[in-house]
Amino acid sequence: GIQVEQSPPDLILQEGANSTLRCNFSDSVNNLQWFHQNPWGQLINLFYIPSGTKQNGRLSATTVATERYSLLYISSSQTTDSGVYFCAVELSIGNQFYFGTGTSLTVIP
Amino acid sequence: NAGVTQTPKFRVLKTGQSMTLLCAQDMNHEYMYWYRQDPGMGLRLIHYSVGEGTTAKGEVPDGYNVSRLKKQNFLLGLESAAPSQTSVYFCASSYDGPGARYQPQHFGDGTRLSIL
Repeated sequence: GIQVEQSPPDLILQEGANSTLRCNFSDSVNNLQWFHQNPWGQLINLFYIPSGTKQNGRLSATTVATERYSLLYISSSQTTDSGVYFCAVELSIGNQFYFGTGTSLTVIP
Repeated sequence: NAGVTQTPKFRVLKTGQSMTLLCAQDMNHEYMYWYRQDPGMGLRLIHYSVGEGTTAKGEVPDGYNVSRLKKQNFLLGLESAAPSQTSVYFCASSYDGPGARYQPQHFGDGTRLSIL
């Protein structure tokens, strides 16, 4: 099956710092989404971004489908950004989503 | 607007017992999904449904059954629970329709299931 790799696996930031999270995938995909799982376990959809660039406040994401990777940028990080960030991809054929193993982010004050 | 609601939130079972997890969505979504999340791992798809009366296997379907008798509900059943099924289970739904393909998934808050 498709391989979805995220890096780095763990990240600790000082509040106010910027960071870039990466998601690599091994096959062509129709859909790519970024999620944030907060410390209470809730999953929040951040971006639906099969290609191109999108921005939402301090967060932005870029997917280069032809090179099979996506980046999530977090600027001016806040303690509330802590949690695990997952990317999930949907193959060109079928309706199954495959998740990466996540990047665990801790923002310290 | 409740979104996606999972019932129960917590449950402890003994090996061999059976139970059903309920997922309900009030967004008129066509697609519904059941995932499991194990420590240190991402979510893995168990089963999914592309509409009322339809179900399909995901990445890790063994030991589970599902039913989608009503559009708003997606049930996940464990016929004979095993300790390896101890996990956090998430349900999700998404809209699909003409001109609205690939809409984002909305998740429930999860069900923590422990099997002794």
